[in-house]
Amino acid sequence: QKEVEQNSGPLSVPEGAIASLNCTYSDRGSQSFFWYRQYSGKSPELIMSIYSNGDKEDGRFTAQLNKASQYVSLLIRDSQPSDSATYLCAVNSGNTGKLIFGQGTTLQVKP
Amino acid sequence: DTAVSQTPKYLVTQMGNDKSIKCEQNLGHDTMYWYKQDSKKFLKIMFSYNNKELIINETVPNRFSPKSPDKAHLNLHINSLELGDSAVYFCASSQSYISQPQHFGDGTRLSIL
Repeated sequence: QKEVEQNSGPLSVPEGAIASLNCTYSDRGSQSFFWYRQYSGKSPELIMSIYSNGDKEDGRFTAQLNKASQYVSLLIRDSQPSDSATYLCAVNSGNTGKLIFGQGTTLQVKP
Repeated sequence: DTAVSQTPKYLVTQMGNDKSIKCEQNLGHDTMYWYKQDSKKFLKIMFSYNNKELIINETVPNRFSPKSPDKAHLNLHINSLELGDSAVYFCASSQSYISQPQHFGDGTRLSIL
């Protein structure tokens, strides 16, 4: 079983729609959760961090965390073609700062 | 001002050679990391240092040796390069190693001929 699992996609949504990206993790002790965006040929860029159950909003992005279900998601409202990228879910493991990354979900936003 | 900078951006070399990648951060962070991203885009931690002390040392061939001369620098030396070492290597830093987001450099694309 993979430690952090994401659907690799591609997830295709029309411009202006809501994109929903999902991630499950196996370590019940995880406390820190991050979403990164990676454009092709570029480095991962931090979008959101979330540490407690519930929703956290930042502009068009909302991260949702449910520790009981070991599930974290990212919603992108009013999706733009510039949002087309691979979205990486990262979850901490242990207390050394180690992050476990999922394989990423490729999002395509079509004009 | 680049927050986390790596050199070189591209490295093309032959099997058996030894090479180094350098990383510097100007964010004042205490913790630095090396990651490897393979051809399938899977990103995996290799090492981390907190204020020059080794914190994470994943199952990595001992041909890979990190060195942190001070908390703003973390270098990666690779001996006897193999074909399987071809990947993008990312340096990252965070304020501390406890629950802090990590910020990545632009990466070094290593190609072994």
